[in-house]
Amino acid sequence: GDSVTQMEGPVTLSEEAFLTINCTYTATGYPSLFWYVQYPGEGLQLLLKATKADDKGSNKGFEATYRKETTSFHLEKGSVQVSDSAVYFCALSTGNSGAGSYQLTFGKGTKLSVIP
Amino acid sequence: EAGVAQSPRYKIIEKRQSVAFWCNPISGHATLYWYQQILGQGPKLLIQFQNNGVVDDSQLPKDRFSAERLKGVDSTLKIQPAKLEDSAVYLCASSFQPNQPQHFGDGTRLSIL
Repeated sequence: GDSVTQMEGPVTLSEEAFLTINCTYTATGYPSLFWYVQYPGEGLQLLLKATKADDKGSNKGFEATYRKETTSFHLEKGSVQVSDSAVYFCALSTGNSGAGSYQLTFGKGTKLSVIP
Repeated sequence: EAGVAQSPRYKIIEKRQSVAFWCNPISGHATLYWYQQILGQGPKLLIQFQNNGVVDDSQLPKDRFSAERLKGVDSTLKIQPAKLEDSAVYLCASSFQPNQPQHFGDGTRLSIL
């Protein structure tokens, strides 16, 4: 079945450091790929997405490129801020368009703490 | 626009009791999802509705979990009877259509004693 593997945390960085969170996936067909962010006590928010190979998703200084050849979708940010402290989830979506079913499969999440 | 609303935010019950969670999706969103998020893991889909019909409930433990969306708007998820392993955050999400991005509520944190 479909699965997502992301680097285990927690990750602790100093403010303005470079961030990389690795994500690889296994899926049949051609999934769409997502990064979601979860702040303490809140639900998940869509951070960025990519729907086909070589697409780059970007938002709020974060970016990730859909690499079909390495089945990866690594999240990067050039300079993190304290406000980026959260849990980040990589996810994929494969759909059965005939049934109208589009399931998100999530990784386990990576907790990021940014210290001043 | 108003986001996905869920209630209650927290619930503590004893095992074998029953509990219900409520979700009101974003206005106009036809697709509604319930996820279970166990501590330290990513969310796992329990059930997907399209309007008032079930599209996918393959991962819903039907011996104890039930969900409905009778009028195609808000939805209720019920657990009866609860087990210790049901302790988790239950997230509701909605999307305009099935292949559109999902928007999540803040979740209900369930603790089973």
